[in-house]
Amino acid sequence: ETGVTQTPRHLVMGMTNKKSLKCEQHLGHNAMYWYKQSAKKPLELMFVYNFKEQTENNSVPSRFSPECPNSSHLFLHLHTLQPEDSALYLCASSLRDNQETQYFGPGTRLLVL
Amino acid sequence: EDQVTQSPEALRLQEGESSSLNCSYTVSGLRGLFWYRQDPGKGPEFLFTLYSAGEEKEKERLKATLTKKESFLHITAPKPEDSATYLCAVQAASTGYSSASKIIFGSGTRLSIRP
Repeated sequence: ETGVTQTPRHLVMGMTNKKSLKCEQHLGHNAMYWYKQSAKKPLELMFVYNFKEQTENNSVPSRFSPECPNSSHLFLHLHTLQPEDSALYLCASSLRDNQETQYFGPGTRLLVL
Repeated sequence: EDQVTQSPEALRLQEGESSSLNCSYTVSGLRGLFWYRQDPGKGPEFLFTLYSAGEEKEKERLKATLTKKESFLHITAPKPEDSATYLCAVQAASTGYSSASKIIFGSGTRLSIRP
């Protein structure tokens, strides 16, 4: 498999649930990103990892917890989310974290009830 | 404040009817401007990067141009398969090693091409 993959593609969860989103890249990149895309709003950068180290956290609430065990895998752990957290969550990767060209996965469509 | 504005929000064209999408930006030092295409239910697909005013890039029916204040994505003789949301993003200059946080996306233009 090539490119950036994300699982699951769709997720429905209650506000008290705990779930995790997974991202995997097969491009040999060293930087990975989580974005949130809400309807009619620009993409919002959430987290950046470079060589497994977190380099950016754009004031994201603690109910979102990222994990990057290696340069190819990125997780987003979700806990006690709110309905307004419903959105498309996109993962991206690039050669380095200051490398402009980012390659995106298909996203996980999240609905919080 | 760094800002990216795309217009129009939505555009409907007849097949073969050429037009342009606009991306206006205000950033403290432009490092690069990017165009992406996003189909429903999918992640953005990279199209172009422009680095300096006067630069142009082409790919099939698409041509991107850049000035000091805006970028245009020209679509020549579009086909229904060109229907998608087109996203513009800018990367502002950063003195730090990590500059990913300086990438700012616009809200996109939803393009629809009727056969």
